Amino acid sequence: DAGVIQSPRHEVTEMGQEVTLRCKPISGHNSLFWYRQTMMRGLELLIYFNNNVPIDDSGMPEDRFSAKMPNASFSTLKIQPSEPRDSAVYFCASSLGQGNRNQPQHFGDGTRLSIL
Amino acid sequence: GIQVEQSPPDLILQEGANSTLRCNFSDSVNNLQWFHQNPWGQLINLFYIPSGTKQNGRLSATTVATERYSLLYISSSQTTDSGVYFCAVGPGNQFYFGTGTSLTVIP
Repeated sequence: DAGVIQSPRHEVTEMGQEVTLRCKPISGHNSLFWYRQTMMRGLELLIYFNNNVPIDDSGMPEDRFSAKMPNASFSTLKIQPSEPRDSAVYFCASSLGQGNRNQPQHFGDGTRLSIL
Repeated sequence: GIQVEQSPPDLILQEGANSTLRCNFSDSVNNLQWFHQNPWGQLINLFYIPSGTKQNGRLSATTVATERYSLLYISSSQTTDSGVYFCAVGPGNQFYFGTGTSLTVIP
């Protein structure tokens, strides 16, 4: 079975450019999560969707970040304009669940983003 | 949010040794997972264990939800066990991650 697929695996771009990260969740999963991992802050949840609807975006650092889930098989995380402090590894995860139902999360391999 | 503390922060083992990693959390949770982040950065799901005990080969985990802690046991460690072990907890779908235990297994 295909796991969570993220693209690109690596992205290097200059400050001020728009960055778009992509995620395809596991087929049939109805919850999708975006996380960011940095040395300073560790792993932190940015936003999560349930049935394509954003449920909690309180972890999104600022208005330069936006996330969409136009359908059950695709999500994007966009940064515009990008800044060097956005450099991190961004993970996407998916799970089958709703509300507090107990379901494990499965992670993609991440996108390593470097903003110069 | 929920505070998650993992101990020890760093651990060095001789190949073949056993170890116990601990995860304490500050509030009631309905979800708890253990992950291994390998040297390539991949997060590998080890256990989904909001309560009770599970075993998978040389690894096992126990969560005592009423006392707000979970333990991960690694027996007969191998060099491939090296990496960072994370505990993630949540009252619902939102996960809060601990800062991890960095494990190095030397031959």
